[in-house]
Amino acid sequence: DAGVIQSPRHEVTEMGQEVTLRCKPISGHNSLFWYRQTMMRGLELLIYFNNNVPIDDSGMPEDRFSAKMPNASFSTLKIQPSEPRDSAVYFCASSFVRTGNTGELFFGEGSRLTVL
Amino acid sequence: AQSVTQLDSQVPVFEEAPVELRCNYSSSVSVYLFWYVQYPNQGLQLLLKYLSGSTLVKGINGFEAEFNKSQTSFHLRKPSVHISDTAEYFCAVTMDSSYKLIFGSGTRLLVRP
Repeated sequence: DAGVIQSPRHEVTEMGQEVTLRCKPISGHNSLFWYRQTMMRGLELLIYFNNNVPIDDSGMPEDRFSAKMPNASFSTLKIQPSEPRDSAVYFCASSFVRTGNTGELFFGEGSRLTVL
Repeated sequence: AQSVTQLDSQVPVFEEAPVELRCNYSSSVSVYLFWYVQYPNQGLQLLLKYLSGSTLVKGINGFEAEFNKSQTSFHLRKPSVHISDTAEYFCAVTMDSSYKLIFGSGTRLLVRP
């Protein structure tokens, strides 16, 4: 079975440019998470979707960040304009969340973003 | 609020030696506990989880962890490590029926020949 698929794996861009990261969750999962990983802050939850609806975006750093999930098989995380401090590895994870959730997340391999 | 503390940022160990990676959590309610492993340039994958029942949980690759409610700990152990166990290990906690997984800062396990 295919796991969570993220693209691009690596992105190098210049400050001010728009960046779009993409994610295809595991088929049948009803929840999708975007995490950011940095040395300084570790793993941070940016946003959580359930059944394609954003439930919790309290972790989104600021208005420059936006995320969408137009359907159950695709999500994007956009940064516009990008800044050097956005450099990080961005992970997408999916899960099947229900009452009595076990919390097991399935992670993609991540998108490493470098903003010069 | 929940939090997870992994006191050791790096644990060096020789191959075939035993290892323990420490994890402590704080929560005023019942929790589910997890250990994830991250190999270089890869995403995280689940090693094991504690939901309820037996406090000793066995996972993949020979790892196990013990839930200790009185000490609010969930330490990860392996009796004999391999070079291939070199990776970053993350402890995580979530409340019952919550989607929000709180991760610790990670412990880098470095296995030397």
